[in-house]
Amino acid sequence: RKEVEQDPGPFNVPEGATVAFNCTYSNSASQSFFWYRQDCRKEPKLLMSVYSSGNEDGRFTAQLNRASQYISLLIRDSKLSDSATYLCAAPSSSASKIIFGSGTRLSIRP
Amino acid sequence: GAVVSQHPSRVICKSGTSVKIECRSLDFQATTMFWYRQFPKQSLMLMATSNEGSKATYEQGVEKDKFLINHASLTLSTLTVTSAHPEDSSFYICSAPSDFSYNEQFFGPGTRLTVL
Repeated sequence: RKEVEQDPGPFNVPEGATVAFNCTYSNSASQSFFWYRQDCRKEPKLLMSVYSSGNEDGRFTAQLNRASQYISLLIRDSKLSDSATYLCAAPSSSASKIIFGSGTRLSIRP
Repeated sequence: GAVVSQHPSRVICKSGTSVKIECRSLDFQATTMFWYRQFPKQSLMLMATSNEGSKATYEQGVEKDKFLINHASLTLSTLTVTSAHPEDSSFYICSAPSDFSYNEQFFGPGTRLTVL
């Protein structure tokens, strides 16, 4: 089993819709989790950090479910500019590094 | 957030040549930096962890003699792709941990390498 797994998508939703996707992790000892946004041919940029049950920043909400070992990202009132690939990341169980999921592609249509 | 720069942003070279990529932390010190490689439509794959003043730690399957890493100062790590071949063409990205959380990383803008 991969340490961090994501549904690759693509998710194709209309502008204004609410969309959510999950990311599962295998390291039960992880205390911190991250969502990054990556635009095409660009570097990932940190979107949100999750250290407890969840985090909210404007239209974006990240939630952590420790019992089921997944984190979710919810985007409300989606904008065309939200189209990107969203990567989740969690600390590895084996060393001081973080592992990235394969990314979920999101496309917002007018 | 912290700023990490990379140079060059893009390089095209002939097969067999060596290419050096620089990663700099501009407004903070980084004793550790990470080097990733990303092929089109694939995720980031960690290649190695660069440690200031000591040897880099390579991930399984990454040839340390082919991908030379040097972390000579607290603000600079370099990755040299030696004897590059077309299959080495990829997007190479470095990152450095934030002061707040080791696991929270700031990425450089990446270097797109094309080997002809």
